[in-house]
Amino acid sequence: GESVGLHLPTLSVQEGDNSIINCAYSNSASDYFIWYKQESGKGPQFIIDIRSNMDKRQGQRVTVLLNKTVKHLSLQIAATQPGDSAVYFCAENINTGGFKTIFGAGTRLFVKA
Amino acid sequence: DVKVTQSSRYLVKRTGEKVFLECVQDMDHENMFWYRQDPGLGLRLIYFSYDVKMKEKGDIPEGYSVSREKKERFSLILESASTNQTSMYLCASSFSRQGDEKLFFGSGTQLSVL
Repeated sequence: GESVGLHLPTLSVQEGDNSIINCAYSNSASDYFIWYKQESGKGPQFIIDIRSNMDKRQGQRVTVLLNKTVKHLSLQIAATQPGDSAVYFCAENINTGGFKTIFGAGTRLFVKA
Repeated sequence: DVKVTQSSRYLVKRTGEKVFLECVQDMDHENMFWYRQDPGLGLRLIYFSYDVKMKEKGDIPEGYSVSREKKERFSLILESASTNQTSMYLCASSFSRQGDEKLFFGSGTQLSVL
């Protein structure tokens, strides 16, 4: 995931604009990637996922892009709404015999009305 | 809908106390996980379990232990709480061991150790 640190990256966008949140993952062997959204006072919730044999997947207003060459993930949110304000985490599933999910540090999205 | 329930939303404990954090899921999921979340550090995996009575260390297991006596319940134990264990604790579950399943999270327990 993103580099570990004390400062949470933030992104501020105007309502109605598109948002792009980026993430660098760590393990070349990871084969499943997920984006989660965490609203204040709640646990993270699944948004969209992508397997390593794909480079793009679309959901409702969201698109995830995967670039395995540079180990980069991005989440695109179309027509960003105030309800999209949250912290967004990318995550990768690493095979450990079973698997475990490793999270990035997160990006806080602010949507300005 | 899958429901993951954490027994307490807020807890305040004193240094040296033994602390139990409880988590229950209602969807017969095989896998359960405990994470802690600290500002700017994301979610860090403490322990996880793929089956009853089975446990695996995550990335930061020191100072913690876990118990999974029943499939639906996964407990995190702080044997002797310390101030550096003040954090948000998140429990999660998932269905399969195949590595292609998303996690379902509880709402978290904010633990303060004084």
